[in-house]
Amino acid sequence: ILNVEQSPQSLHVQEGDSTNFTCSFPSSNFYALHWYRWETAKSPEALFVMTLNGDEKKKGRISATLNTKEGYSYLYIKGSQPEDSATYLCAFRLSGSARQLTFGSGTQLTVLP
Amino acid sequence: DGGITQSPKYLFRKEGQNVTLSCEQNLNHDAMYWYRQDPGQGLRLIYYSQIVNDFQKGDIAEGYSVSREKKESFPLTVTSAQKNPTAFYLCASREDKNTEAFFGQGTRLTVV
Repeated sequence: ILNVEQSPQSLHVQEGDSTNFTCSFPSSNFYALHWYRWETAKSPEALFVMTLNGDEKKKGRISATLNTKEGYSYLYIKGSQPEDSATYLCAFRLSGSARQLTFGSGTQLTVLP
Repeated sequence: DGGITQSPKYLFRKEGQNVTLSCEQNLNHDAMYWYRQDPGQGLRLIYYSQIVNDFQKGDIAEGYSVSREKKESFPLTVTSAQKNPTAFYLCASREDKNTEAFFGQGTRLTVV
């Protein structure tokens, strides 16, 4: 079983604050790292798929970085808004022919107005 | 509209009975997945399939079975051998190796 860890488990921030979370994964045989956002009563939705060491991706106020050599990715949210409240999941894929996606347990973000 | 559909949304089962959860996609995706979520935990992989007529066990396959007779469909059967089946089940699909997964709305199974 692959070990994909996310921290913190939950986080409360004030509206307007910037925040970040961490996803740790095995540094060997890396293929891809995914980030998803999961709002209550909805399906998880993809934010980023990252494949190269040093990748930085951005979508609006949300951005992510990737370090495959040390096995971590950061997700940043700038100027958090209440609508950013959700669980943020990362998922790791090993190299090889299998398409298995292994998820972390998520970071639950609550943005207080 | 293209998408991935799970049914039913809520399901109640008597202890000792098998039950099948449906997952259908019209996205023409090759890979499909079943995950389980328990309170306070992340998504754990039950089974996945890369192509029709092929599937592999995930991390918690015991007590579950699947089939992939058609590209569009990947039903999950929760058998009576699954000791703790009450959970939220999510189905997902992906096009190929470097693309994101698309998820269904989930099925909440309760054993009564």
